[in-house]
Amino acid sequence: GAVVSQHPSRVICKSGTSVKIECRSLDFQATTMFWYRQFPKKSLMLMATSNEGSKATYEQGVEKDKFLINHASLTLSTLTVTSAHPEDSSFYICSARTDTDTQYFGPGTRLTVL
Amino acid sequence: AQSVTQPDIHITVSEGASLELRCNYSYGATPYLFWYVQSPGQGLQLLLKYFSGDTLVQGIKGFEAEFKRSQSSFNLRKPSVHWSDAAEYFCAVGAATGNQFYFGTGTSLTVIP
Repeated sequence: GAVVSQHPSRVICKSGTSVKIECRSLDFQATTMFWYRQFPKKSLMLMATSNEGSKATYEQGVEKDKFLINHASLTLSTLTVTSAHPEDSSFYICSARTDTDTQYFGPGTRLTVL
Repeated sequence: AQSVTQPDIHITVSEGASLELRCNYSYGATPYLFWYVQSPGQGLQLLLKYFSGDTLVQGIKGFEAEFKRSQSSFNLRKPSVHWSDAAEYFCAVGAATGNQFYFGTGTSLTVIP
């Protein structure tokens, strides 16, 4: 099956710093990747849709300047949380869409902002 | 409006018992339907999906789901639950074309010996 990786799996940073999370499709090319945020015991909240070679599409209420998304290749999308604050602490999950319209998810990244 | 409802927030079953997790959806177009499982601190793993054809679909780990258009449901079943099935289960619906997935709020499954 399709495999998606995320790096790092956990990150702890100080308030005000920036953190970059990578999402890679390992065995397929993905023109579209997605970034989700998951709060404890809650469902996934779609943050943005990342399209290779073009600007990301952000969901309503998601700050574009705070959550920078870059989809530079068909196998890599990055999410950068800029000037992170404690309220940004969360579990971030990416997914990549295959040519059969199925999303495969990465293992997630636990971000803790002190 | 598009939505997915998983009526059961939490279910507890005994190991070896049968399981059914409910999922109802509201979708304006032909839906693609999915079930994912998430273990604590992990990402989501695809269990099965329905696009078209036979309304009873088989997935991994012995799971199956049945699409019932008249009831707008896509319930997940397993005849005999194993302790390792304890996890969070999410139902999702997407369009035949397009990107947006809509997730239910999840059902947490506890398996008791």
